[in-house]
Amino acid sequence: AQSVTQLDSHVSVSEGTPVLLRCNYSSSYSPSLFWYVQHPNKGLQLLLKYTSAATLVKGINGFEAEFKKSETSFHLTKPSAHMSDAAEYFCVVSDLGKTSYDKVIFGPGTSLSVIP
Amino acid sequence: NAGVTQTPKFQVLKTGQSMTLQCAQDMNHNSMYWYRQDPGMGLRLIYYSASEGTTDKGEVPNGYNVSRLNKREFSLRLESAAPSQTSVYFCASREQRTAHFGEGSWLTVV
Repeated sequence: AQSVTQLDSHVSVSEGTPVLLRCNYSSSYSPSLFWYVQHPNKGLQLLLKYTSAATLVKGINGFEAEFKKSETSFHLTKPSAHMSDAAEYFCVVSDLGKTSYDKVIFGPGTSLSVIP
Repeated sequence: NAGVTQTPKFQVLKTGQSMTLQCAQDMNHNSMYWYRQDPGMGLRLIYYSASEGTTDKGEVPNGYNVSRLNKREFSLRLESAAPSQTSVYFCASREQRTAHFGEGSWLTVV
């Protein structure tokens, strides 16, 4: 069965300092992994995705994530936080699977606050 | 290059009214999904459709019905809206290793 755990419900960082949002997953087969961002009262925007190519994935707005199979992790990082990064972040796993039950699973989300 | 299109974007309903949220994708994807997003609950799967003509319940299907009449469209219907269905609804489609989401539909039931 697939599942996604985002270890922190809320993260607060100072502007200009690094961001780390943690995500662990479980998947029976070979997953695709995504990070989405949602600003207040806005829809979901894709930040980056891992689909079995390079394990270090670069996304938009300076974000990147590294797929570590041994740790079943896909943590999101950014070297220097900006005020506009304050939002809700969702880690998502999509598993091809071997059955007809074929889902896209969202993590519970991490709210990122950026302090001026 | 529309991707996934949801309508309406905003809707206010009275308790007991019915309505249908429409979702269409132009990427020829087989799998489509409806989620609801509530504070502190993240996104929860309501229904999904693995292919045209098939639908299955997700985590929170009660109070909803869906229809996948063709490959492109997947609609979500509230037959008798309740205040507990006040939420933001997202439609998504997926093919192989790529998932795409609509921009969301904000629904308020009063």
